[in-house]
Amino acid sequence: KNQVEQSPQSLIILEGKNCTLQCNYTVSPFSNLRWYKQDTGRGPVSLTIMTFSENTKSNGRYTATLDADTKQSSLHITASQLSDSASYICVVSANTGFQKLVFGTGTRLLVSP
Amino acid sequence: NAGVTQTPKFRILKIGQSMTLQCTQDMNHNYMYWYRQDPGMGLKLIYYSVGAGITDKGEVPNGYNVSRSTTEDFPLRLELAAPSQTSVYFCASSYETYRTGIHGYTFGSGTRLTVV
Repeated sequence: KNQVEQSPQSLIILEGKNCTLQCNYTVSPFSNLRWYKQDTGRGPVSLTIMTFSENTKSNGRYTATLDADTKQSSLHITASQLSDSASYICVVSANTGFQKLVFGTGTRLLVSP
Repeated sequence: NAGVTQTPKFRILKIGQSMTLQCTQDMNHNYMYWYRQDPGMGLKLIYYSVGAGITDKGEVPNGYNVSRSTTEDFPLRLELAAPSQTSVYFCASSYETYRTGIHGYTFGSGTRLTVV
């Protein structure tokens, strides 16, 4: 069964600190992996997308890594800001002709002043 | 360029009522999708469309209907609303090629629906 699991479920950090969010998946055949940021009451917004051959991708203070062998990904946030408070969702795309997206349940991050 | 626009943002329905959630996109994307997001759960695909006149069921289609008469619009219809349909609904669009995959996946801001 295609699944995406994220950890931790929630996280509180102080402003200015770094943090890393984890994503494990069992989606097959793998096409790509995306990280989305979802602010409260808003739709998800794409941060990064990585294909099988990419190990890391950055978007400002966000850096995503992918290990396709172990089927793990991480999202590292550097020098956190209050505006980083949101849910971060890992989404894996299965290459099935119509590319099916499998969503994780998200990590809820709170950046405290 | 507004992206994906959903209306209404909030709605309260009584059990048995019906309503239509509107979704329109101005990016000329061929693919459109409807998802629901329940608390503590990942987004689940309700219906999707690969182009005008073509729709298909996703993971959780029961209790819903869709139509796609134009490239821009993809309304979701709830008939006989039930408390189990209380959720946040997201519309999304993308353009997609079989060879290179999904591009430009964009979500709307959501419709929060409560059925009482």
